[in-house]
Amino acid sequence: DTAVSQTPKYLVTQMGNDKSIKCEQNLGHDTMYWYKQDSKKFLKIMFSYNNKELIINETVPNRFSPKSPDKAHLNLHINSLELGDSAVYFCASSRQEDTQYFGPGTRLTVL
Amino acid sequence: SQKIEQNSEALNIQEGKTATLTCNYTNYSPAYLQWYRQDPGRGPVFLLLIRENEKEKRKERLKVTFDTTLKQSLFHITASQPADSATYLCALDQTGANNLFFGTGTRLTVIP
Repeated sequence: DTAVSQTPKYLVTQMGNDKSIKCEQNLGHDTMYWYKQDSKKFLKIMFSYNNKELIINETVPNRFSPKSPDKAHLNLHINSLELGDSAVYFCASSRQEDTQYFGPGTRLTVL
Repeated sequence: SQKIEQNSEALNIQEGKTATLTCNYTNYSPAYLQWYRQDPGRGPVFLLLIRENEKEKRKERLKVTFDTTLKQSLFHITASQPADSATYLCALDQTGANNLFFGTGTRLTVIP
């Protein structure tokens, strides 16, 4: 059984489009996260949600918006995509103050 | 802001030897520090967590040390195997609220 799953695995789109990446965890964790890993493999946190409340919002453009319909899901919406948004996006989850479990990643390519 | 440096971008060692990876940070000591493994095309996988009041933690062939005076953590893999080849990431939590900041990683290659 997959603990943290993301869809789609690959996403290729044109500049200016709006897209979403979905994430689901079946671990019963309290907190979910979104990370961006750039071409140099640097992994940087973007958001986290704890019990439907945003508790971290690093300096990411407001074109990126996390949406959590329930505790098991945290989706990432991106508006007006730019070339620089091309990266691998990872979803993760954890119990509070505990290790994080990562999803398989979504490779986003903006043309 | 906190800077996290893993001093080797890549490390090659012979099978059977001990691999030692270094993670240095610049500012105040975190509540705890974690090490993750990442294989190509996959998400990071948790390996070990060490808290600020712990000096050393072990798990099978893995050992982590944490020196808050030196602001450094060392990650050791003993009796290394080709299957240990991967990128290893250290991550710091500064607040105790699991706000993780990752280092740039060390790509380890174990040569048979």
